[in-house]
Amino acid sequence: DAGVIQSPRHEVTEMGQEVTLRCKPISGHDYLFWYRQTMMRGLELLIYFNNNVPIDDSGMPEDRFSAKMPNASFSTLKIQPSEPRDSAVYFCASGFGQGWGYGYTFGSGTRLTVV
Amino acid sequence: AQTVTQSQPEMSVQEAETVTLSCTYDTSENNYYLFWYKQPPSRQMILVIRQEAYKQQNATENRFSVNFQKAAKSFSLKISDSQLGDTAMYFCAFMRGTGNQFYFGTGTSLTVIP
Repeated sequence: DAGVIQSPRHEVTEMGQEVTLRCKPISGHDYLFWYRQTMMRGLELLIYFNNNVPIDDSGMPEDRFSAKMPNASFSTLKIQPSEPRDSAVYFCASGFGQGWGYGYTFGSGTRLTVV
Repeated sequence: AQTVTQSQPEMSVQEAETVTLSCTYDTSENNYYLFWYKQPPSRQMILVIRQEAYKQQNATENRFSVNFQKAAKSFSLKISDSQLGDTAMYFCAFMRGTGNQFYFGTGTSLTVIP
């Protein structure tokens, strides 16, 4: 099992550009989560999916952020247009709905820098 | 709302010594889970140890153990025989028994000194 795979590992972009972050969850997991980590706010949940359907997107900061999960093995988080304050590490995580007591598995994150 | 507080932003410990990281939380729930995650410089979030609130016995995983005080809403992590590879950020996290969202603390940066 390769774990949760995120790409790219690092992304540097200019303000105003579109950024797309990608995630491949662990096969068989039915939940997928996107978290953002910043020094100021720590780790915060942006959105999560169950069986490819978005369940709670209340953590998405604003309309510039969107997330999709077209199938069970792929999800994207898009920022359009990007701003310097979006600079952060974005984590994807996946889990199995019958085992929350065991937490879930995180990817290695994408470090986004918007200049 | 659930809040998780880690009052020690940074800590250091000599190699082979023991260190304890503090965590307190606030919740009105009776059924929940608590976790410690480790984040080394590689950024990977690694589960260190977990505790079910309904279990009174403290969880242990090799050199890692917790002191779970439910009434005090305290969940500290003890690392015995500290190793250089333990150098990392450590996050305490809470999850409701019926939920699936983590509530993380702000983290404690631990440095193991050779």
